[in-house]
Amino acid sequence: QKEVEQNSGPLSVPEGAIASLNCTYSDRVSQSFFWYRQYSGKSPELIMSIYSNGDKEDGRFTAQLNKASQYVSLLIRDSQPSDSATYLCAARLRGGAGNMLTFGGGTRLMVKP
Amino acid sequence: NAGVMQNPRHLVRRRGQEARLRCSPMKGHSHVYWYRQLPEEGLKFMVYLQKENIIDESGMPKERFSAEFPKEGPSILRIQQVVRGDSAAYFCASSPRHTQANYGYTFGSGTRLTVV
Repeated sequence: QKEVEQNSGPLSVPEGAIASLNCTYSDRVSQSFFWYRQYSGKSPELIMSIYSNGDKEDGRFTAQLNKASQYVSLLIRDSQPSDSATYLCAARLRGGAGNMLTFGGGTRLMVKP
Repeated sequence: NAGVMQNPRHLVRRRGQEARLRCSPMKGHSHVYWYRQLPEEGLKFMVYLQKENIIDESGMPKERFSAEFPKEGPSILRIQQVVRGDSAAYFCASSPRHTQANYGYTFGSGTRLTVV
């Protein structure tokens, strides 16, 4: 099993809907998780981090961490066409050196007007 | 307050040539991370360096690839005798020496290498 796994998508949602992006992780991963957004041809941009069980909200974004089930989610409320991008889930490995992150393959989100 | 700076933004090399990619970390950051992203794929860790020292190079291909972060100047990722499969986007990130568990680093704009 890969350390961090994501469904590649594309996930298509209508404008104004809630987009739900999921990520599962293995035991080799520590408890710090990150969501990055990457527009086509651009570099990844950090959206949120979470390391406590439960929900963390920031504007239209909510990150959810469920340690018992080993998954982390990103919810985007009131999705806009400008949210169309690839969303990368990342985590720090247990015993990993320094601040090194391991990434999932990313989920492509398409928000249709 | 400049972020992570990478250059060049685009690099075209013929097969067999050498490619040199540069990364200047954010001010005050002493650790640098290089990642590679193949077309339509996620980010793959390559190497983690601090000044004058390689901390983890477990993601680096065994041949043709090397990285350094000298005491002065940017970090350099060097690819010798490039092949078409090296065509990818190469991203660099940096961090301070000590960070909190929820520290997520910022990436530079990347170098897009095309091997023709």
